[in-house]
Parts: sequence; C-alpha cells; structure tokens
Amino acid sequence: RKEVEQDPGPFNVPEGATVAFNCTYSNSASQSFFWYRQDCRKEPKLLMSVYSSGNEDGRFTAQLNRASQYISLLIRDSKLSDSATYLCVVNSGGSTLGRLYFGRGTQLTVWP
Amino acid sequence: EPEVTQTPSHQVTQMGQEVILRCVPISNHLYFYWYRQILGQKVEFLVSFYNNEISEKSEIFDDQFSVERPDGSNFTLKIRSTKLEDSAMYFCASRGTGNYGYTFGSGTRLTVV
Repeated sequence: RKEVEQDPGPFNVPEGATVAFNCTYSNSASQSFFWYRQDCRKEPKLLMSVYSSGNEDGRFTAQLNRASQYISLLIRDSKLSDSATYLCVVNSGGSTLGRLYFGRGTQLTVWP
Repeated sequence: EPEVTQTPSHQVTQMGQEVILRCVPISNHLYFYWYRQILGQKVEFLVSFYNNEISEKSEIFDDQFSVERPDGSNFTLKIRSTKLEDSAMYFCASRGTGNYGYTFGSGTRLTVV
C-alpha cells in the first residue's frame, strides 16, 4: 500500500508560469500535512504546512481536502530557484508524534 | 535560524563494520528522528525517540540498528554490522512541541563497500 502518492512529473515550465502539484494519501486518520522541497542530494526543507482552510505563503498556495484525502500545491510566477523536487508529506495519524510518510516527489525544472 | 547538525557528511565503510552517525538536534526540541533515503527512492522513516526512549520504529529498524542520546545534545544512530543495502543518505530530524514540520539535518551519506 502506498501511503502517499504524487504526480510523478517531471514538470518543465518557463519562468513566470503557474504550476500545480497533486498528492493523495491513504490514511484517513492523518492529522498533519506538509510540502517539503528537496534539492539534489540535499535534505528535505519545509516549504509549508497544509491546513484544511487552505493557506498561502507568497507565491505558494496549499490546499487540503480531507474528504478526498487530497493535497495540492500551486506555485505562481515560477522562478528559476523553484527548480527542485517537491515532496508531499503526511504524518501517520493518531498522534502528531507519528512518523512521516513521504511521497516519491515531483521534480520541477523552471527554465529561463 | 537554528539547525540540525549531522556528522560526518560522508562515511565509507566496509561491509560488516559498525558505523555511528551523529546528530545534534535543535536545542529546545524534544522529539528526534532518523530517516533514510536510498538513492533515487523516497525518504523512509527509521525511528522516533522521545523522553529518552524509542517511541516508534519501522520494519527497517531491525536488531542491527540502535539509537542513543548519550548526553544532553547528541543523538546517534548505530548500525552494528553494515550491509551493502544500508548504503543511503541518513537524515536526522527534530521537532519541537506543536504541530510543526520537522527540521532535517543535511544528512550523512553512507556508502558500504
């Protein structure tokens, strides 16, 4: 069973484009949801937490649909520096201490 | 910005040897974790540690693995007898209270030859 599934990508977009990533998770008891970014051979870095009401941080907007167990990330006005792998991450549920489950990641390349 | 520090950044070891990977979590964090990422694959949970004991471990974390917090600052992962398939990037992470994302260290790349 795959706990977290993501668009495999890769996504190749020009600067200034809007790009959206999707993710589904299998554990309905999950309580915490995140988007991380990972640069090649580096550690995952927290991009943003995802809340039921949806949340925005500058050019990034995250949405959570608990009924569909679906998470999305929208990046507006893409920059070259946005090129990375974006990881959908969900905790195991039952407790916020629970392990994190990572998706395989969606690779984004922004070209000039 | 506070960070999680890991040493060494790269370790090469012979199969069957013991390795200890070291981590210094963020000082006021209470929850500590080890994850690993085999090249080209997703990040996988190994173990969580809270209040000086393991709170959860995955099926990967077998008897060859152990964790320790020997003093107030270090958090170590020991692999007793390394296998070729232990080659991976090992990430330490820590978390404070509240529903926040984890902070990951920059990782130790373990290569077993």
